[in-house]
Amino acid sequence: DIVMTQSPSSLAVSAGETVTINCKSSQSLLYSGNQKNYLAWYQQKPGQSPKLLIYWASTRQSGVPDRFIGSGSGTDFTLTISSVQAEDLAIYYCQQYYDTPFTFGSGTKLEIK
Amino acid sequence: QVTLKESGPGILQPSQTLSLTCTFSGFSLSTYGMGVGWIRQPSGKGLEWLANIWWDDDKYYNPSLKNRLTISKDTSNNQAFLKITNVDTADTATYYCARTTGRGNWFAYWGQGTLVTVSS
Repeated sequence: DIVMTQSPSSLAVSAGETVTINCKSSQSLLYSGNQKNYLAWYQQKPGQSPKLLIYWASTRQSGVPDRFIGSGSGTDFTLTISSVQAEDLAIYYCQQYYDTPFTFGSGTKLEIK
Repeated sequence: QVTLKESGPGILQPSQTLSLTCTFSGFSLSTYGMGVGWIRQPSGKGLEWLANIWWDDDKYYNPSLKNRLTISKDTSNNQAFLKITNVDTADTATYYCARTTGRGNWFAYWGQGTLVTVSS
């Protein structure tokens, strides 16, 4: 199985700051046939279902604010949230869909000071 | 508008079989490229992918649950199903169904989840 390791496990920031969440995979998620990275990011607010933010490592899902930016390639990926807002309080998960079983990171809890 | 809704027994006893139903709208599982997946989340913990079923009835399973999983669909009624045999307390979780597509196995639309408790 591909192991997804997220860091940090939690962080607290003030509104307006920029946040970086890291996700590392145990093997490359870059498929040479199409040069795409098979990685997605989700946001799960308290008491809610996960919501897709990013796929192909850097493509924002329709309706997702442009302050959410996905980057990285191969085994190292980053979700950057610029100008964090109070509504961004949530747990953020990465997911690889390069191979089955599809696996998720353990999550990063974002708290707003 | 794509919506999904899970339903299940709520509570069941160890060794029983868990049967879950996902009723969806806004897409068809007979359409090329469409798929539905099941993901679960124990309270306060992370996400675990369980299984996917596709428009052509292809199925993927998480081998960590060995042979306990069966996924199926009823295209005419816009439903997908998941059965887990021989449950125990470790299967206590919120179970989600979610839509995926053949473009890539991300989950773009999720149901609200159904809580399943395994307890004697």
